[in-house]
Amino acid sequence: AQKVTQAQTEISVVEKEDVTLDCVYETRDTTYYLFWYKQPPSGELVFLIRRNSFDEQNEISGRYSWNFQKSTSSFNFTITASQVVDSAVYFCALRGIWGNQFYFGTGTSLTVIP
Amino acid sequence: DADVTQTPRNRITKTGKRIMLECSQTKGHDRMYWYRQDPGLGLRLIYYSFDVKDINKGEISDGYSVSRQAQAKFSLSLESAIPNQTALYFCATQNTGELFFGEGSRLTVL
Repeated sequence: AQKVTQAQTEISVVEKEDVTLDCVYETRDTTYYLFWYKQPPSGELVFLIRRNSFDEQNEISGRYSWNFQKSTSSFNFTITASQVVDSAVYFCALRGIWGNQFYFGTGTSLTVIP
Repeated sequence: DADVTQTPRNRITKTGKRIMLECSQTKGHDRMYWYRQDPGLGLRLIYYSFDVKDINKGEISDGYSVSRQAQAKFSLSLESAIPNQTALYFCATQNTGELFFGEGSRLTVL
């Protein structure tokens, strides 16, 4: 089965705190892609990152970092020194390399309190 | 201008009415998708198309139909809308990697 679980439904942090959004996935594929998307209050879906299952290196982009661990089937997302503009719903997604479909988690709603 | 454009952005309709949501893209991608978003349920796939002659059902296709009029256009129809089809609908395109989403169409069925 292909499945993505985001167990954290809602998270609230105070501005400048660090926050980690969890993503756990299940797949039968040996090669696959993982994604994170951001949905701000305005509603659009913004692509953040794509990770190939062959590449387990962590990635950092400014205040954002991603920790991919194949051993635990997790692809967690950390925001360092959170800002109010980070308030959004964040979705993790999975696609097999030969698959036709993307499988999305149910999202984590992050609120950053000023 | 947005690369993936959805119309209408907002629509309120009544039970039993036929509704069409349209999607056009300028990205030149062959693959197009329609998703539905409901609170707490994430994004669920309705239909997808890999080229003009290819239409495939997703996990929640009942009550919906689609038409791929051209590489750039992919429409979603609700033949007889019902209240539980009230949701936010997204069109997306894909080349080989990530999905590129339109801005969404919010549909309310009364």
